[in-house]
Amino acid sequence: DAGVTQSPTHLIKTRGQQVTLRCSPKSGHDTVSWYQQALGQGPQFIFQYYEEEERQRGNFPDRFSGHQFPNYSSELNVNALLLGDSALYLCASSQLQGSGNTIYFGEGSWLTVV
Amino acid sequence: AQSVTQLDSQVPVFEEAPVELRCNYSSSVSVYLFWYVQYPNQGLQLLLKYLSGSTLVKGINGFEAEFNKSQTSFHLRKPSVHISDTAEYFCAVTPSGGYQKVTFGTGTKLQVIP
Repeated sequence: DAGVTQSPTHLIKTRGQQVTLRCSPKSGHDTVSWYQQALGQGPQFIFQYYEEEERQRGNFPDRFSGHQFPNYSSELNVNALLLGDSALYLCASSQLQGSGNTIYFGEGSWLTVV
Repeated sequence: AQSVTQLDSQVPVFEEAPVELRCNYSSSVSVYLFWYVQYPNQGLQLLLKYLSGSTLVKGINGFEAEFNKSQTSFHLRKPSVHISDTAEYFCAVTPSGGYQKVTFGTGTKLQVIP
C-alpha cells in the first residue's frame, strides 16, 4: 500500500514564476492538506481539500491556490513566486470520517526560488 | 484556535541515556495530539498519537508520551536513546472533530551524543 506520494521532489524556480506541486493521497483517504515548512521551522497549514472543495485555509495569500480531483489527488499552485516561498511543501492525507483521524505525510517537495 | 509550545529547541543527550521532550498545547476545544519525527531531508513520520482513553500512549522506536489534561501537556519520553534517534521532533494538535487542520510546534532537535 503506497503512502502519500508527492512530485516533484526537488525543483528550482525563478522569482515571479509559477509552480505546481502534486500529491496522491494514501489509499482510502479522501482529505488532502498542504503545509509549508520553511527552514528551521515547523510546518504551517496552507489549506485543506475535501470533496474537491477547499474546506479550511491558513494565513497564506491568494497566490497560493489548489485543486482536488475526483480521484482525491491534489495540486498546489503558487503564482508570482517570491524568494520567501522557498521551503519544503508537505502534503498530508487522512480519512475525514475514519476512526483515529491519523494524518499521514508525504516526503515533500523542496522548492527553491532564486 | 490551537497553539503548541515546544519548550526546548535543542536537546543534547548521551547515547543510552533517557530523554524527555516537552510539549504544551492550548485549545478551547477537544484535541487529538501527535508526535512526528523528521530525519534530515525527509518528510514527517508519525511516532505516536493520543485520541482518547489511556493517557499513556506507546509509539514506534520505543517512544512513549503521556497526556496530561490538567497541565495541557503531552511530553515525549524514551528510556534509552540511540544514535539513530538523532532527528527533529514535532508535537502537533488537531481538533477532535470536523476538518483536521494540524497545528505544529516549532520542533525540538534531539542530538544523541556517542
